[in-house]
Amino acid sequence: AQSVTQLGSHVSVSEGALVLLRCNYSSSVPPYLFWYVQYPNQGLQLLLKYTSAATLVKGINGFEAEFKKSETSFHLTKPSAHMSDAAEYFCAVIMDSNYQLIWGAGTKLIIKP
Amino acid sequence: GAVVSQHPSRVICKSGTSVKIECRSLDFQATTMFWYRQFPKQSLMLMATSNEGSKATYEQGVEKDKFLINHASLTLSTLTVTSAHPEDSSFYICSALSTSGVDNEQFFGPGTRLTVL
Repeated sequence: AQSVTQLGSHVSVSEGALVLLRCNYSSSVPPYLFWYVQYPNQGLQLLLKYTSAATLVKGINGFEAEFKKSETSFHLTKPSAHMSDAAEYFCAVIMDSNYQLIWGAGTKLIIKP
Repeated sequence: GAVVSQHPSRVICKSGTSVKIECRSLDFQATTMFWYRQFPKQSLMLMATSNEGSKATYEQGVEKDKFLINHASLTLSTLTVTSAHPEDSSFYICSALSTSGVDNEQFFGPGTRLTVL
């Protein structure tokens, strides 16, 4: 079955430090890949998406992600964490033509002062 | 552009009553909308796929008679939770896929918090 794995349900970094949130997917065909952010009691906001163009994708709020086909990964990074980055982050994939998103379990990003 | 609204944002109801949640695409047409349910500290669970003018497709384990979905127009889908019970309390989120299907991106509503007493 197709799946998306986010390594680490919680990631804690210091303010100003590098943020790395991991996402791996299982697929034999090129997927569409997305990262979403969710603040408490709110809906989801798209951070960035990969759609078979450039493998390094830049998103909002200084985030970027790199699609690595050989590793079936789409890890999310940000060079310098800010307190406002504290939220839940979800990786999601569309792997076939029914447009359904397959979701990772989410990673809660905690920013330490 | 690509704004999706949900109404209401919060609703509290008594057990046994029905609640309707609306999902609207405000500035684009959506042939397909999705309804998700999210439990605290968990990821989104797809409940059903709603296609304009046809019956919704429900995921396994989702009761279609309890969660009624209607997608009557290209900008509106509704989810009705019938005879709601406390276990139906959850955060319900809809998303919409534009008719142009740009990059297969779904646009999400802000969610509806349902509390059943």
